[in-house]
Parts: sequence; C-alpha cells; structure tokens
Amino acid sequence: QKEVEQNSGPLSVPEGAIASLNCTYSDRGSQSFFWYRQYSGKSPELIMSIYSNGDKEDGRFTAQLNKASQYVSLLIRDSQPSDSATYLCAVNLGNKVIFGPGTSLSVIP
Amino acid sequence: DARVTQTPRHKVTEMGQEVTMRCQPILGHNTVFWYRQTMMQGLELLAYFRNRAPLDDSGMPKDRFSAEMPDATLATLKIQPSEPRDSAVYFCASGLGTSGGNEQFFGPGTRLTVL
Repeated sequence: QKEVEQNSGPLSVPEGAIASLNCTYSDRGSQSFFWYRQYSGKSPELIMSIYSNGDKEDGRFTAQLNKASQYVSLLIRDSQPSDSATYLCAVNLGNKVIFGPGTSLSVIP
Repeated sequence: DARVTQTPRHKVTEMGQEVTMRCQPILGHNTVFWYRQTMMQGLELLAYFRNRAPLDDSGMPKDRFSAEMPDATLATLKIQPSEPRDSAVYFCASGLGTSGGNEQFFGPGTRLTVL
C-alpha cells in the first residue's frame, strides 16, 4: 500500500458544483495534513492545512479529516473554471511530508 | 514579497555534464526541501535540511546527487554526472519546521533536460 493515495482523475464537475477530492494515508501516527493546488507548468501552492479531526473551512474550500478512517478530503464549493488544476494531498510522516500522486480537476463552464 | 527563488529556471545539458541548481529560501524559514517531479513518479522528496543540517537524503541517488546548504540563504543541488533519466522539474521548498507540521512554500522550479 502506498503511503498517500488519491484518485488520479480526471475529475470533471460543472461550474458552480461542489468538487470533492479524497485522500487516504497509511500511517496512523500522522498528525498534519495539507492540500496543495498545482496549475499546469507551475509549482504547488499550499491552500489548506488541517491538524484535528473534523472540518476546517476557508472561503470556498473545506478540508475534512477523519483520523480513525485515515482519510482526508477537500471540498470546493461553487467550483470555478479557475479551480481547474491538480490537487495534491500531503501528509506528515515523522519528519517528512509525503505527497500523493494528485487528482486532476477540470471545472467545465 | 517573501517567496522562494530558484535558479536557473531552465537548464538543457548533455549527458555527463555537471548541473548545479540553487535555491534561496524565504527569509526566516529554517527548513529546506528538494523535490523532483516527473509525470511518471509524481513529486518525490530528494533531501531536506533543518537549520542547515541535512536530516534526510534517502530519496537521492547518492552516487551522482549531492545537496548542501552553505549558508541560511542558499541551498544547492548538484548532479554529477547527469543522465537523461534525471530530466525532470526540480523544486525547492522552505518552511518553518515544527513538530506539529511542515507547511511548505515552493519555488518556481528548475526544468532540467539532459540530452
């Protein structure tokens, strides 16, 4: 089992819909979880960090963490074409941060 | 405007040549990471430093890659000799390393092509 797994996509949603991105991780001891957005040809950009079970909201973005299920998700409300990008889940494992393979999101106007 | 800078942005070289990539972390950040990204492998951690000391370089091919932090404002990644399979985008990221988390801020990357 890979340390951090994501559906590769592509995930396509219509403009204005909710996009749901999922991530699972293998190490129960992980304490810190991150979502990065990467536009084509650009570098990853941190959009959310979450450390505790439950939901964390920031504008149109909501991160959800369930440590018992070893699952973290990102919801994007009112999706816009500008949200089209690859979303990388990252998990702290000991002193390292391990990135998942990313999910490609396409928001269709 | 605090950001991570990397040079060069693009590098084309021939197999066997030495390649040096440089990174200036965000002022005040004490942790620096080097990543390699390819379509096939995704984002791979090569090495990272905290307070200029190397903490982990297990992701780096030791025979040809080396990473150093000669001072707090400069990190380098060197490949000698380079091979076509080293073609990738190399990212540097910096952060405030704490036990609670490692939020990282990425530089623009160096796109390396080895012919």
